[in-house]
Amino acid sequence: DTGVSQNPRHKITKRGQNVTFRCDPISEHNRLYWYRQTLGQGPEFLTYFQNEAQLEKSRLLSDRFSAERPKGSFSTLEIQRTEQGDSAMYLCASSLARGDEAFFGQGTRLTVV
Amino acid sequence: ELKVEQNPLFLSMQEGKNYTIYCNYSTTSDRLYWYRQDPGKSLESLFVLLSNGAVKQEGRLMASLDTKARLSTLHITAAVHDLSATYFCAGARTYKYIFGTGTRLKVLA
Repeated sequence: DTGVSQNPRHKITKRGQNVTFRCDPISEHNRLYWYRQTLGQGPEFLTYFQNEAQLEKSRLLSDRFSAERPKGSFSTLEIQRTEQGDSAMYLCASSLARGDEAFFGQGTRLTVV
Repeated sequence: ELKVEQNPLFLSMQEGKNYTIYCNYSTTSDRLYWYRQDPGKSLESLFVLLSNGAVKQEGRLMASLDTKARLSTLHITAAVHDLSATYFCAGARTYKYIFGTGTRLKVLA
């Protein structure tokens, strides 16, 4: 499978726990994005990497959230001290260059109980 | 700041009918994208529209872009049940995609 891969697909965690998600982009894509989608809404931009550099973080990304992309390959999104409001689908996408369409992964559905 | 609005939010239509989904955006957008999302699934890219007057067609779906009106449309011709899904348009400023709230389409047999 050469598409964007995300894992885990589903995560249930207790409030206050930390969680980490992983995204493996399409191999030659140097641009990587994280989005969050809640029920009935469109995806909201969280952050963007060009290679290993994180070029923008949304105001939605509080200091409990951190994303990395070491060596410009896979990326991780960590949420510390999870809250019920963090429950959502977290989508990763990648693209080859500016203007190219972004290809989305299957997402990680987070439920905070 | 770029804002994207879609209408209608919900659309129930009979098989064989035609309909149009509208996507308005608030300020200059470098590009306009249409995506499809099935329940519980990720987003599938349908169209990328790059310039004023761009029109693209794939099967029963046709997308167009009018940058002067800041409007894109997704036209559905002779709908079939398999087209039931949520459709999103997204504008883009540099690398950032801004999505509309989506149009949930249900095609009734």
